[in-house]
Amino acid sequence: EAGVTQSPTHLIKTRGQQATLRCSPISGHTSVYWYQQALGLGLQFLLWYDEGEERNRGNFPPRFSGRQFPNYSSELNVNALELEDSALYLCASSFSGNGYTFGSGTRLTVV
Amino acid sequence: GENVEQHPSTLSVQEGDSAVIKCTYSDSASNYFPWYKQELGKRPQLIIDIRSNVGEKKDQRIAVTLNKTAKHFSLHITETQPEDSAVYFCAASNSNSGYALNFGKGTSLLVTP
Repeated sequence: EAGVTQSPTHLIKTRGQQATLRCSPISGHTSVYWYQQALGLGLQFLLWYDEGEERNRGNFPPRFSGRQFPNYSSELNVNALELEDSALYLCASSFSGNGYTFGSGTRLTVV
Repeated sequence: GENVEQHPSTLSVQEGDSAVIKCTYSDSASNYFPWYKQELGKRPQLIIDIRSNVGEKKDQRIAVTLNKTAKHFSLHITETQPEDSAVYFCAASNSNSGYALNFGKGTSLLVTP
């Protein structure tokens, strides 16, 4: 069974640009979660999508947004990139909280 | 919102000793408490979890205890081995928030031979 897959693995962007990160959940999982892991700040919850809708978001500004597609895959968009957005972005999927699994992440570097 | 505190931030033990990591949470609605192990450059891996209707759970050398009244939960690793060296994260969540995880800041565990 394929796990949670994320792309790209690495992404380098310039300050002010937009970044798009993608996540494919485990087959059968309807919920997708996004987390930011910045150096020294641990893992912070960003967004939760379920059945195509944004259900909850963490304490992040509106320039962090995303969507979930009919096939339950998801993308995270970060607009107006700032240097402090440099981090590992992790996606996880579950079915009603069961089988919670993380992907390998996208390393975003803002220069 | 939920606030999870984790201690200690670093822990060094000798191989064969036990390691204990403690977490507290603030939201009494939290009912799911997983623990993750993250090795350098890798994704977090679930090692054990506990739900609020259980006080203790064990899986081989790893155990987790939960005290709902005091709002704290702990990870116990016995007979530690060098391959247990990693960063460990506790988290708390509840079904109402769709199991969005609120993480502690992590404990860097070093097991020396």
